[in-house]
Amino acid sequence: AQSVTQLGSHVSVSEGALVLLRCNYSSSVPPYLFWYVQYPNQGLQLLLKYTSAATLVKGINGFEAEFKKSETSFHLTKPSAHMSDAAEYFCAVSIGDMRFGAGTRLTVKP
Amino acid sequence: DAGITQSPRYKITETGRQVTLMCHQTWSHSYMFWYRQDLGHGLRLIYYSAAADITDKGEVPDGYVVSRSKTENFPLTLESATRSQTSVYFCASQGDLGETQYFGPGTRLLVL
Repeated sequence: AQSVTQLGSHVSVSEGALVLLRCNYSSSVPPYLFWYVQYPNQGLQLLLKYTSAATLVKGINGFEAEFKKSETSFHLTKPSAHMSDAAEYFCAVSIGDMRFGAGTRLTVKP
Repeated sequence: DAGITQSPRYKITETGRQVTLMCHQTWSHSYMFWYRQDLGHGLRLIYYSAAADITDKGEVPDGYVVSRSKTENFPLTLESATRSQTSVYFCASQGDLGETQYFGPGTRLLVL
């Protein structure tokens, strides 16, 4: 069965700083990997998706993630944080049904 | 409007009452899902459906019932609500396995 672990339930960065949200997955076969974002009182929205076409995946709002098979990781990055990036971020893995990580809350300080 | 909608958005009920949460999608997606979101637990799958009249249990199905008589609707019923079912409930739909799941706005349920 597949699973995903998000390292750090809360990450705080200053505006303009690098954002790095960590995700490690476990899967017996090549998985599909996703990052979703959830703003307060809203549902989850897709940020980006890995489907094996390219290891570096670019998403919306300047986010990107790199699939590293040797490290079983799919970390999410953004070069320069903006106040509007403050939200909860979920990593998910799918080889059939989808399994979500526990989430990482990103705080952006002015 | 196209998309996925949930109703009601907010619900307060009492222990022992029956509550039904509605979910409707306009994409004709085959798959639909119900999740609950609780602090510290992330999203946990309650039930899912691969097509009309096909449903299956997820990680936390106890106390919940689902049905799917039409492709576009996937109601979730709490037959006898308990305080532990106080949560935020999200419905999602998906065209096929491995594809993106699209989420509704959620229903906040408080069981007193």
